[in-house]
Amino acid sequence: EIVLTQSPGTLSLSPGERATLSCRASQSVSSSYLAWYQQKPGQAPRLLIYAASSRATGIPDRFSGSGSGTDFTLTISRLEPEDFAVYYCQQYGSSPPITFGQGTRLEIK
Amino acid sequence: QLQLQESGSGLVKPSQTLFLTCAVSGGSISSGAYSWTWIRQPPGKGLEWIGYMYQSGSTYYNPSLKSRVTISVDRSKNQFSLKLTSVSAADTAVYYCARGSANWGYFDYWGQGTLVPVSS
Repeated sequence: EIVLTQSPGTLSLSPGERATLSCRASQSVSSSYLAWYQQKPGQAPRLLIYAASSRATGIPDRFSGSGSGTDFTLTISRLEPEDFAVYYCQQYGSSPPITFGQGTRLEIK
Repeated sequence: QLQLQESGSGLVKPSQTLFLTCAVSGGSISSGAYSWTWIRQPPGKGLEWIGYMYQSGSTYYNPSLKSRVTISVDRSKNQFSLKLTSVSAADTAVYYCARGSANWGYFDYWGQGTLVPVSS
C-alpha cells in the first residue's frame, strides 16, 4: 500500500500570502496519478489538480501543482479568503488502487 | 452538469447492514471511461476509499473492507449502490459517492454526502 504523508498538518497564513503544501509518498507514484482536493466544512471534496499539475475545470490559476516520484507540492500563489480549507492529496496505483493523504488544514493567521 | 445524490440508511445498528444508493443525473452511468465510487469520511477525520465499479462491471474494493463490501449498479435506474455488512461504530461516517476517471484515477464529481451513524 502506498502511504501518502502530508505536511504540515496545519498551516497558518494570512490572505495574500503564498501557501506551499507537501505530499510525500512511501513509494514512487506516477505523476499521472496524483491529485489534490479542497474540502470546506460540511461540503464534499472538490478536485483542484490532477496528473500532478493539471488544473481541473474552473480552478483559478493561483492553484498549481508540481512534483514527481515521491514528492509532490500544491502551491496557492496568493491566498484568498475562500481558500482556507482542508487539502488532501490522493494517488491512484497498485493495490489498494486509491489512497488519500491525511490532509493539511489551511487556517487564517 | 453531472449530479450525484446519495440516499439510503439512516441510523444503523451494530452488526446490521448499511445500504446506500447513488442516483446519477445529467449523464449516463453506462457511458464513458469512468469508475463509480464510494468514499467515506469518519467525523473529523480524513477520506477513505471504499471501492468502485467500472463500466465493465469489474469491481475493486479496499482490502481493509473487502470482506464486507459489495458495490452494484442498476443501469435501468442510472444508479449504483453500496452494501456494507456487519457494521460497527467504526463505520460511522459521511459516505460519498463519486465519479472517477478510469484512466487517471481522480474523482471529478461528488455527491453531497450522507452521514450514517452506527449505534444501538
